[in-house]
Amino acid sequence: LAKTTQPISMDSYEGQEVNITCSHNNIATNDYITWYQQFPSQGPRFIIQGYKTKVTNEVASLFIPADRKSSTLSLPRVSLSDTAVYYCLVTGDSGYSTLTFGKGTMLLVSP
Amino acid sequence: GAVVSQHPSWVICKSGTSVKIECRSLDFQATTMFWYRQFPKQSLMLMATSNEGSKATYEQGVEKDKFLINHASLTLSTLTVTSAHPEDSSFYICSAGQGGTEAFFGQGTRLTVV
Repeated sequence: LAKTTQPISMDSYEGQEVNITCSHNNIATNDYITWYQQFPSQGPRFIIQGYKTKVTNEVASLFIPADRKSSTLSLPRVSLSDTAVYYCLVTGDSGYSTLTFGKGTMLLVSP
Repeated sequence: GAVVSQHPSWVICKSGTSVKIECRSLDFQATTMFWYRQFPKQSLMLMATSNEGSKATYEQGVEKDKFLINHASLTLSTLTVTSAHPEDSSFYICSAGQGGTEAFFGQGTRLTVV
């Protein structure tokens, strides 16, 4: 299983851009990279998913270099409500055998 | 995105009793469902994976006779914690997939055993 490594915590201020990097050195050819957000006492919420290069949606961007051994979740202009734990997962396209959560990154956004 | 509903959101039970948690995919058919357990300030720990109509696959260290999983239909999976004890108190979360690389999570169930 591809193991992921993320910073344990990050601090930011409202209005700033936040970039959270995840390492996944053993990612397989058919694996995708998926990011989830979790608030206390809630289930994880899907943020974004990508395979290579750059993916952008209404809430975030995901940058994946050519070797795919890492990825960076970019949150533009964070607000206090973005304070949460962010998980990077490597998910296989043939199923969910790799839907294993690492420790995640606790993002604290201050005023 | 697809919606996964978990019920109940929280439950308190007496030690020795059993508790059932339901996980439903509301607007899609879930070929695979996952059950997780999360202790305070820790990450989600995968307990088991179930496919509709077949027995669940449990992760190492998870007692299958204590955590009974039934995935009888493509929209419903249940987790029953049998003979619950205080150490089973935790946040239980289900997720469901519909065949792609994305899984959708329920809102979680807070179980407290007293």
